[in-house]
Amino acid sequence: QVRLVQSGAEVKKPGASVKVSCKASGYTFREFYMHWVRQAPGQGLEWMGIINPIGGSATYAQQFQGRLTVTRDTSTSTVYMELRNLSSEDTALYYCVRDSGYGEYLMYFRHWGEGTQVTVSS
Amino acid sequence: DIVMTQSPDSLTVSLGERATINCKSSQSVLYSSNNKNYLGWYQQKPGHPPKLLLYWASTRESGVPDRFSGSGSGTDFTLTISSLQAEDVAVYYCQQYYTTPPTFGQGTKVEVK
Repeated sequence: QVRLVQSGAEVKKPGASVKVSCKASGYTFREFYMHWVRQAPGQGLEWMGIINPIGGSATYAQQFQGRLTVTRDTSTSTVYMELRNLSSEDTALYYCVRDSGYGEYLMYFRHWGEGTQVTVSS
Repeated sequence: DIVMTQSPDSLTVSLGERATINCKSSQSVLYSSNNKNYLGWYQQKPGHPPKLLLYWASTRESGVPDRFSGSGSGTDFTLTISSLQAEDVAVYYCQQYYTTPPTFGQGTKVEVK
């Protein structure tokens, strides 16, 4: 079965960077796009970006342009999300999410990781 | 970006009764070439990631009970729980995937009366 195992919780100071990993298993990694979605405490869901598992090209939501980088390592079936210049507003649960489209992106989400809590505090 | 607006923000329903959640998009999510509405519904319980319930506005995900149904087209959509069960207490989100970025509604909290 599809599994998305994320790295553990992080606590960072304002201005720092965080890098969260997501190891995929149970399917062929190259066949499905991957996304990152975050959820601030008590809030809704916010899409951050998508990565093509084959070429590694990524597209980001406008509000994260310039401080978000999503990468992948096909040899380990792992996707990474790095967010820079953190502020308290980045305190959230970060989910890696597999796209539902086979060989294409559809952008609805059948498989979610358990989430990684990132807390930004001085 | 397409703005998704759900109503109500919260809903209290007796066990066995019907629950109805509305979702409105700021522009149509109906793709005319394939006549599909690019609209999904998710259920999120505390401490868990969202779970996909419906996609293409009305296609039930495998394993989802048939008391969950979706309807609507264009800009107006509805999620109906025909007979609320205790395990349906959760927050429900609609999501459009017609354009990038995909966007979610603010969520509707469903509780038991």
